[in-house]
Formats: sequence, structure tokens, C-alpha cells
Amino acid sequence: DARVTQTPRHKVTEMGQEVTMRCQPILGHNTVFWYRQTMMQGLELLAYFRNRAPLDDSGMPKDRFSAEMPDATLATLKIQPSEPRDSAVYFCASGLVLTGTGSNQPQHFGDGTRLSIL
Amino acid sequence: TQLLEQSPQFLSIQEGENLTVYCNSSSVFSSLQWYRQEPGEGPVLLVTVVTGGEVKKLKRLTFQFGDARKDSSLHITAAQPGDTGLYLCAGALYGNNDMRFGAGTRLTVKP
Repeated sequence: DARVTQTPRHKVTEMGQEVTMRCQPILGHNTVFWYRQTMMQGLELLAYFRNRAPLDDSGMPKDRFSAEMPDATLATLKIQPSEPRDSAVYFCASGLVLTGTGSNQPQHFGDGTRLSIL
Repeated sequence: TQLLEQSPQFLSIQEGENLTVYCNSSSVFSSLQWYRQEPGEGPVLLVTVVTGGEVKKLKRLTFQFGDARKDSSLHITAAQPGDTGLYLCAGALYGNNDMRFGAGTRLTVKP
């Protein structure tokens, strides 16, 4: 089965360091989502892309977070500088949204990057 | 406050019992999805409901979308330890391109 691949699976670093998380969406999917999951807030949407163009990044702190899709096989989420409150599990998901079908298409999630900022 | 409120937040039951978890909102959704997430993994889609009043069955799981498309329920019959996990609902608002998730119900089924 095709899967969304996220790297690294775990990351521990000190505050102030740059963190880059990577995601390989499922081949053929045109929409990529970034989520953050914590016990307190649950699963929060940070940003998403359609056909590599950013559609919405309103859930992301703009001063330190950035999301890009340099090509169709790679999405990145960067935090610079990182802070302890950024500690969470970050998920990437991809899906195929066809024109007119709306947003009820399934999202396929990766297994996440568990980030700890000391 | 969450757009989607899930209840209960935690549920611990014995194998063989039945249970229902709820997903409620004051907003109307064009569709609603249920996911299950196991520790160390990402959420996995269980079902999508689109029509108000729709009922879908997946083996021992029964999903219902409210008539007004503002709420949904998940009923599990004769729960098994393999049903243990975090159950998340996610709704798509009309005109939006993304799904918004509830905080989830964490279910534990004891043998």
C-alpha cells in the first residue's frame, strides 16, 4: 500500500535551533496538509497545499514557522527558532481532491514526527 | 473552543460491552469523517458520511450523521481490545477546502 512518509520520526533539540521536518506525499495526491497534535489542543491544522501552491497557512505562527513544497514529492515544515512550546507530534497528510468533489476526500496520514524542544 | 466537540473525552470499558461516542457542533458540515489513531501512528480513515441522516456500518461499527448535519455518532457493538485507540471526527464546512478535527475520544477496551 502507498504511504505518506515522514522524516525524522523523532527529533530532540535545544531551543533556538532550526528544525526541518520532511514529508513525501502519496504519488498522485494533489493536496498536502500539515497538522500539529498535542494532548491539550488535539489535532490542529497548520497549513495545506493544493498542486504545490499554499492555500491556507492561517494556523501557523508566521514568525517562526514556514511550509514549502519544492516539488511534488516533497513537503517541508521548518521552525526557526524553535521554542519548548513547539514540542508536539507533527503530522503530514495527503489526499486527492478533484474539482467539484469538495473536501470530503480521505486524508492519508504519515506516522508523524515527534518533536521535543528542550 | 473546538469547532467539533467530542464526548466523552475518555472511555474505558470491558470487552464485549457496547458504547457510543459523539461528535457535536453548532456548525453545519458538508461532510464528516471518522478516523481511528493508534499510539505512534497517524489517524486512519474509517468512514465518510455526506447525507443528513445517513447511517453507515463497518462490521461492528455504526456511524450516523445527524439530520441537520451538525453532529454524528459512532456506536461500537461488542467492543474488543483491538478497538482501543483515539477516535477523531473531522468535518468539512461548506465552501472550505479542509477538514477540521475534534479533540477525540480515547477508548480503552480491557480484555
